[in-house]
Amino acid sequence: RKEVEQDPGPFNVPEGATVAFNCTYSNSASQSFFWYRQDCRKEPKLLMSVYSSGNEDGRFTAQLNRASQYISLLIRDSKLSDSATYLCAVNFNNAGNMLTFGGGTRLMVKP
Amino acid sequence: GAVVSQHPSWVICKSGTSVKIECRSLDFQATTMFWYRQFPKQSLMLMATSNEGSKATYEQGVEKDKFLINHASLTLSTLTVTSAHPEDSSFYICSADPILAGGGNEQFFGPGTRLTVL
Repeated sequence: RKEVEQDPGPFNVPEGATVAFNCTYSNSASQSFFWYRQDCRKEPKLLMSVYSSGNEDGRFTAQLNRASQYISLLIRDSKLSDSATYLCAVNFNNAGNMLTFGGGTRLMVKP
Repeated sequence: GAVVSQHPSWVICKSGTSVKIECRSLDFQATTMFWYRQFPKQSLMLMATSNEGSKATYEQGVEKDKFLINHASLTLSTLTVTSAHPEDSSFYICSADPILAGGGNEQFFGPGTRLTVL
């Protein structure tokens, strides 16, 4: 079993749709969680950190479910520019600050 | 803030050549930098953790003698792909972990270096 797993997609949605991705992690001692966005042939860019209480940034909402060991990303009112690959990242050990990435979920927003 | 640069952005070289990639944190210091490799349509795979002033920590399956890492200062880490072969062709990305009080463990990524070995 992979340490961090994501549905690779692609998720094909129309503009304006709401779409949600999940990311499961295997290590129950995981400390920090992040969502990154990666455009084709570019580096990942931090989208948002995921806090225990959940957090929202505009159209994006991230949540953490420790009991079931997954994090989620919800995108409301999808825009064409949201088309990208979304990577979740988990820090298993705060001292090392090393991130383990999921395989990414590809989102394609169509007109 | 939190800008990381990489040089070169892309390189094409002949098989057997050694290629050096630089990763710099421009506006912050980082005791730790990470080197990743990403093959087409795959996720980032951590190759090694680069620690300022000490030896790098390599992930399982990554040859330390082939991928030489030097972290000479708090703002610069270099990755040298020695005797590169076509199977080393990939997108190499570095990230840096800022030294921040109460930092949230975020990593900031460089723009990547696309290596093509002929």
